[in-house]
Amino acid sequence: KQEVTQIPAALSVPEGENLVLNCSFTDSAIYNLQWFRQDPGKGLTSLLLIQSSQREQTSGRLNASLDKSSGRSTLYIAASQPGDSATYLCAGEYGNKLVFGAGTILRVKS
Amino acid sequence: DTGVSQNPRHKITKRGQNVTFRCDPISEHNRLYWYRQTLGQGPEFLTYFQNEAQLEKSRLLSDRFSAERPKGSFSTLEIQRTEQGDSAMYLCASSLAGRGVTDTQYFGPGTRLTVL
Repeated sequence: KQEVTQIPAALSVPEGENLVLNCSFTDSAIYNLQWFRQDPGKGLTSLLLIQSSQREQTSGRLNASLDKSSGRSTLYIAASQPGDSATYLCAGEYGNKLVFGAGTILRVKS
Repeated sequence: DTGVSQNPRHKITKRGQNVTFRCDPISEHNRLYWYRQTLGQGPEFLTYFQNEAQLEKSRLLSDRFSAERPKGSFSTLEIQRTEQGDSAMYLCASSLAGRGVTDTQYFGPGTRLTVL
């Protein structure tokens, strides 16, 4: 069974800190790995997509890595801001569907 | 706005009633997906369409659920005889699948269903 796990479930940090969110997946036959942001009661916004042949992707203060052999991905957020407060979800693409983790709830305190 | 749209945004219904949700994908996208998200969990895949063909259905999609995409554009998701356990956010996503195209799924804002 394809499962995605995210650690920690929740994280609270002061503004300006660098932080790392972790994602692990059980099935390494992953087509790609995506990181999403979800604000309360809203839909999902795609942040970064890493194809299975890639090791990392960067967008602004965000950097995501993918290690298929160990079944892990990390999302690094540099110089966190209160506006980064949201739930961050990772999802592995298998075939034609995304399998999501339960998310990490991030709170950045000003 | 050229993103994925969903209607209604919120639906409150009584147990046993039927409900129907609509999703309008990004216009040139040929794939459309439905997911369900309960509180504190990530979205779970329900079904997807390539053009008008429904190609995969999850075991989560019981026989009370039916989805259609009649002309390969918008899609509807109907739930018959709703149960309290159907209360969730129903998310729609679309993507452009094809040679040389990264199949990124773009999500709509979701329909929040509450079954009383």
